[in-house]
Amino acid sequence: QVQLVQSGAEVKKPGASVKVSCKVSGYTLTELSMHWVRQAPGKGLEWMGGFDPEDGETIYAQKFQGRVTMTEDTSTDTAYMELSSLRSEDTAVYYCATGRYYYDSTKTYYWGQGTLVTVSS
Amino acid sequence: NFMLTQPHSVSESPGKTVTISCTGSSGSIASNYVQWYQQRPGSAPTTVIYEDNQRPSGVPDRFSGSIDSSSNSASLTISGLKTEDEADYYCQSYDSSNQGVFGGGTKLTVL
Repeated sequence: QVQLVQSGAEVKKPGASVKVSCKVSGYTLTELSMHWVRQAPGKGLEWMGGFDPEDGETIYAQKFQGRVTMTEDTSTDTAYMELSSLRSEDTAVYYCATGRYYYDSTKTYYWGQGTLVTVSS
Repeated sequence: NFMLTQPHSVSESPGKTVTISCTGSSGSIASNYVQWYQQRPGSAPTTVIYEDNQRPSGVPDRFSGSIDSSSNSASLTISGLKTEDEADYYCQSYDSSNQGVFGGGTKLTVL
């Protein structure tokens, strides 16, 4: 069973960057493909991007391209999502999520607990 | 852009059956697997259906998923409704570029 534990809540000013972490246990990060999803207050789920094992590359939703970077530290089984040039509309809960295994077609089977990022001056 | 459309809300009485639809905007919804997630207030989503109609262990068999190619839609059916089923439900799939797509979510009220 995969467990995902995310870093704590963040408060950032407009224009700043935020980096959210997601620690994997139960499996190693190299056995999984990590994705990130966010949810603004009172709104639905929004896919931000994730690792495509078929291409071996991380793909990003067009909306976030140029502002988001998803990285991994396999030595600590920790994934990171960094979002830059923050604006108030980026206030949301950010989730990491993975499939059951590397090539799992269900790419967001297991979910982290979420990290609230608040952007406010 | 590929989109998934869900009803904003549905309601039904305990013990009854409810079906939540998820309609694809273009192409064939059967081209990629559809997943369904349950989200209770203040909690992270959990998977209740994956790969169109598979149930994770621990999810009651009252939950079932299906695909209807003729209407280009997926459905989540919950039978024998319980008050604990009251939550938001999201369908999810991928477009031709492997970009993730979520439906807007459906609020299920069990009266």
